Amino acid sequence: AQSVSQHNHHVILSEAASLELGCNYSYGGTVNLFWYVQYPGQHLQLLLKYFSGDPLVKGIKGFEAEFIKSKFSFNLRKPSVQWSDTAEYFCAVNLNTGFQKLVFGTGTRLLVSP
Amino acid sequence: NAGVTQTPKFRVLKTGQSMTLLCAQDMNHEYMYWYRQDPGMGLRLIHYSVGEGTTAKGEVPDGYNVSRLKKQNFLLGLESAAPSQTSVYFCASSHRVEQPQHFGDGTRLSIL
Repeated sequence: AQSVSQHNHHVILSEAASLELGCNYSYGGTVNLFWYVQYPGQHLQLLLKYFSGDPLVKGIKGFEAEFIKSKFSFNLRKPSVQWSDTAEYFCAVNLNTGFQKLVFGTGTRLLVSP
Repeated sequence: NAGVTQTPKFRVLKTGQSMTLLCAQDMNHEYMYWYRQDPGMGLRLIHYSVGEGTTAKGEVPDGYNVSRLKKQNFLLGLESAAPSQTSVYFCASSHRVEQPQHFGDGTRLSIL
């Protein structure tokens, strides 16, 4: 079955530190990839998405992610985090054929200390 | 723009009670989804709908029923609530299945 793994469950960083959150998926076919962010007490919001083309995608708020097909990975990065980036981050994947449900990772809780 | 609206935002039920969660979207999306979010488990799909009058089971459908009588509304029902259904419930919608989903603000449900 299709699965998504986020190995970092909790990450604590100081402001201005660089961020990389890992995401790996189990399916080898063509996939659509997403990163969502959930700020405290809020609903999920889309950070960025990858459907096809340039494997390095840029999203909102200075985030980017790189799709590496050979590694089945879609890691999220930000060069310099801010206190306002404190949130939970979810990677999600669905297959690019027919109706395939969106499968979410278990999330990574990021705490940025000022 | 309202987007996806969920009601109620909070609810406490006793075991065995029933209730319905309402989701409404004003984006004319075809696809609608109900998820539950539990600590350490991410979001899990309960039921989904690919259009008005259609529903289908997701990953964790047991104990829930849904209806999509109107395109803009997607109702989630609990016929006999159980403590295991204590969770935060999110509704989402999308124009097409591969497009990003838009989420509501969630309903925090506690079953005593």
